[in-house]
Amino acid sequence: EVQLEESGGGLVQPGGSLRLSCAASGFTFSNYWMSWVRQAPGKGLEWVANMRQDGNEIYYVDSVRGRFTISRDNAKNSLYLQMNSLRSEDTAVYFCTRDYYYGGNSDYWGPGTLVTVSS
Amino acid sequence: QSVLTQPPSASGTPGQRITISCSGNRSSIGSNVVDWYQQLPGTAPKLLIYENDQRPSGVPDRFSGSKSGTSASLAISGLQSEDEANYYCASWDDRLYGRVFGGGTKLTVL
Repeated sequence: EVQLEESGGGLVQPGGSLRLSCAASGFTFSNYWMSWVRQAPGKGLEWVANMRQDGNEIYYVDSVRGRFTISRDNAKNSLYLQMNSLRSEDTAVYFCTRDYYYGGNSDYWGPGTLVTVSS
Repeated sequence: QSVLTQPPSASGTPGQRITISCSGNRSSIGSNVVDWYQQLPGTAPKLLIYENDQRPSGVPDRFSGSKSGTSASLAISGLQSEDEANYYCASWDDRLYGRVFGGGTKLTVL
């Protein structure tokens, strides 16, 4: 059974940092693109970043480029999102998704982890 | 403001057929395929349609997708109360070099 489980969310002050993790199981992690998608409270979905299977192709939404870093460890079946210089507008539930290609087809989603940026 | 434009709400009665539109531009829907996601309250989104009109296994054939030019549509026939959810379209954007989502459509089954 394919499973994705995010962790690492919490309350952080503006300007602070947080590292999210996504543990994958039930499939060959190294065969898939992976993404982070977020959803602010009461709002719609926003794609954040994605990464190719080998880690050599990465894309970010403009609002996080230079502040967030996506990475993966195929040996540990894990995806990460290092978030620095956090702002109140980064407050959201962050989902990890398995994708068939860079453009989408996110067939599995984790339950999400809540990140709250507030003083 | 989302790159892909969806109506904020839609409604229908049980058994009815409804459609939800998703409008993009040449660099998004005009050049790439479209996915649709269903998000029930308090849960993670679920892939409903991929590559414009393909259904993942387990998705009822009441759900169908189509694309024409720079727009796409999701149709739900035989509307059921459990279809009450938020629906999002998504695509890649060649100009933004990123994925884009529609703002979402809240479907109410009356």
